[in-house]
Amino acid sequence: QKEVEQNSGPLSVPEGAIASLNCTYSDRGSQSFFWYRQYSGKSPELIMSIYSNGDKEDGRFTAQLNKASQYVSLLIRDSQPSDSATYLCASTGGKLSFGAGTTVTVRA
Amino acid sequence: GAVVSQHPSWVICKSGTSVKIECRSLDFQATTMFWYRQFPKQSLMLMATSNEGSKATYEQGVEKDKFLINHASLTLSTLTVTSAHPEDSSFYICSARKGPMNTEAFFGQGTRLTVV
Repeated sequence: QKEVEQNSGPLSVPEGAIASLNCTYSDRGSQSFFWYRQYSGKSPELIMSIYSNGDKEDGRFTAQLNKASQYVSLLIRDSQPSDSATYLCASTGGKLSFGAGTTVTVRA
Repeated sequence: GAVVSQHPSWVICKSGTSVKIECRSLDFQATTMFWYRQFPKQSLMLMATSNEGSKATYEQGVEKDKFLINHASLTLSTLTVTSAHPEDSSFYICSARKGPMNTEAFFGQGTRLTVV
């Protein structure tokens, strides 16, 4: 079993809609969770960190963490064409492990 | 800030030669650095984790004698691909963490290696 699983995608949403991304993890010892955005041909950039259960909002992004269900999600509100990218979920309790990524396309 | 610089951005080398990739944390001291490889349309695959002054921890299936990692200082780690072959052509990316092990890591720009 992979440490981090992202099963959804690819995801296509109209401009202005909400994009919802999901991620599960297998290691209950994981302490921190991150969402990175990766544009084609570029390296990932950090967009959200979340460490405790509940929601964390940053601009149009909201991350949700449920440690009991071992589940992390990312919502992108008012999606823009510039949000079109691959979103990577990551967890760490030591090494930084990534999911396969979800490719999001925002249609203008 | 947290800036990680990776050099070179791209390199073409002949089969059988070695290539060194540098990863530097410019404005912080990196407690840990990670090296990843990414093939087209695939996710990041962790190759190894390195801490300054100690041997790197390689992931299962990664040949430590082929992918030499040196983490000589708190701001510099290098990855040397030895005796490169066309199947080693990939996007190699480093990341660096400045805090304790549950904190985020920041990525370099990546190095696109093509072996001909």
